[in-house]
Amino acid sequence: DIVMTQSPLSLYVTPGEPASISCRSSQSLLHRNGYNHLHWYLQKPGQSPQLLIYLGSDRASGVPDRFSGSGSGTDFTLRISRVEAEDFGVYYCMQGLQTPRYTFGQGTKLAIK
Amino acid sequence: EVQVLESGGGLVQPGGSLRLSCAVSGFSISGYVMNWVRQAPGKGLEWVAGLSGGGVVTDYADSVKGRFTISKDNSKNNLDLQMNNLRAEDTAVYYCAFQDIAVTSVGVGADDYWGQGALVTVSS
Repeated sequence: DIVMTQSPLSLYVTPGEPASISCRSSQSLLHRNGYNHLHWYLQKPGQSPQLLIYLGSDRASGVPDRFSGSGSGTDFTLRISRVEAEDFGVYYCMQGLQTPRYTFGQGTKLAIK
Repeated sequence: EVQVLESGGGLVQPGGSLRLSCAVSGFSISGYVMNWVRQAPGKGLEWVAGLSGGGVVTDYADSVKGRFTISKDNSKNNLDLQMNNLRAEDTAVYYCAFQDIAVTSVGVGADDYWGQGALVTVSS
């Protein structure tokens, strides 16, 4: 099984400041189609997870451009250029390479400083 | 409008059974990768079971293999999870999730839909 490891597990940020979350996989997520099958989700309290970034760096429909994803192979990063109040919650990376056998990272809680 | 409505959660005794169902409207589930994901109280997301886009391949987390069965009904646009021999550690909110990540010659796209979650509590 592919193991996903996120860091940090909690992050305290002042609104307006940037934030960055790292995700590492135990094996490369680069598919033969040339894309990394790494996706980022945000789960707000009491809600279902929502897709933010797919294939490592593509923003899902409706996601603000302050969110960006980067990385390849086994190392990935989610960046928020300026954190807003609506961005607080728990962020998860998820590998989709071994469809339908997905794996999530432990989650990173983004909280107000 | 897309709607994904889960039903079937509740309280069950250890060793008992429960069937979760996801009723979908607004898109056809055929062609989507379909999954059940759970979240124990205060914990992170855990993938439980999955069904490939063609509906041919199924897979299960080791913790539920042999006890849970994922199935779909394309005609009803439903996804189900039959859970048998339930244990206390199966207590969680269960989400159904549908994903279509498309990579084509003209670009990429993603459709991703989740249910609202169904609470399953296993306790005597």
